[in-house]
Amino acid sequence: AQTVTQSQPEMSVQEAETVTLSCTYDTSESDYYLFWYKQPPSRQMILVIRQEAYKQQNATENRFSVNFQKAAKSFSLKISDSQLGDAAMYFCAFTGTASKLTFGTGTRLQVTL
Amino acid sequence: DTGVSQNPRHKITKRGQNVTFRCDPISEHNRLYWYRQTLGQGPEFLTYFQNEAQLEKSRLLSDRFSAERPKGSFSTLEIQRTEQGDSAMYLCASSLVGLPSGNTIYFGEGSWLTVV
Repeated sequence: AQTVTQSQPEMSVQEAETVTLSCTYDTSESDYYLFWYKQPPSRQMILVIRQEAYKQQNATENRFSVNFQKAAKSFSLKISDSQLGDAAMYFCAFTGTASKLTFGTGTRLQVTL
Repeated sequence: DTGVSQNPRHKITKRGQNVTFRCDPISEHNRLYWYRQTLGQGPEFLTYFQNEAQLEKSRLLSDRFSAERPKGSFSTLEIQRTEQGDSAMYLCASSLVGLPSGNTIYFGEGSWLTVV
C-alpha cells in the first residue's frame, strides 16, 4: 500500500518570501505520478503541480516548483514570491497503477504581511 | 469545459434519513471518483468508476453507501440510514485515462453533509 507523509502541519511565510513544503511517500511501484493540490477555505481542491516519476526534470509552474528526489522518495513544493492568495491547505498526493489518489494529511500555509 | 459539478453543495439531514449526492464529471472523462474528507484531514478514497463499471470500493464504503454511474456519465452517491459519523464533505473527481494528462484528477467543489 502507498503512504504519503506530510510532517509539517502548519507553515508560515511572509509575503514575497519563499517557502518549502515537505512530502515523503512510500511505494514499491516504479511508474507513478505525484501531485500537490491546494485547498483554500472555499474547499475546492485545486491542482498546483504534477510530476511524472519517470521524468528526472523537476516540474515548475510559474512561482511553484518541486524538488523530486526519487531515490529518497521525497517530493517537496517550493513557493516563490509568496502571495496572500497562496494561503490554504496544501496536500501532497500519489497515484500509481491503481489510478486513485492517496493524500497526505496536509500542511496549512499562512501568508503574513 | 465546465469542470466537475456537484450538487447539492450542502445538505443537513436528520439521523436515519437517506441522502443522495450527484456528480457530473468533466465532459468525456471516463473515470469518476468519490472521496470523503473530514475537517483537518486529507481526502479518503471511497470508490471509482471507469465508464459505468465500478472498479474499486474502499473498506470505508459500508453497506449503507452505494454509488452508481448508470450511463457512464454522471454518478450518484447514496447514503442510507445516515449516522452522525457520516458528516463530512463528499468530493467527486474525474480524469481521462490514456492521454498524457490522463492521470491528473480534477475535483469538484464538494458536497457538505451534516447529520443532526
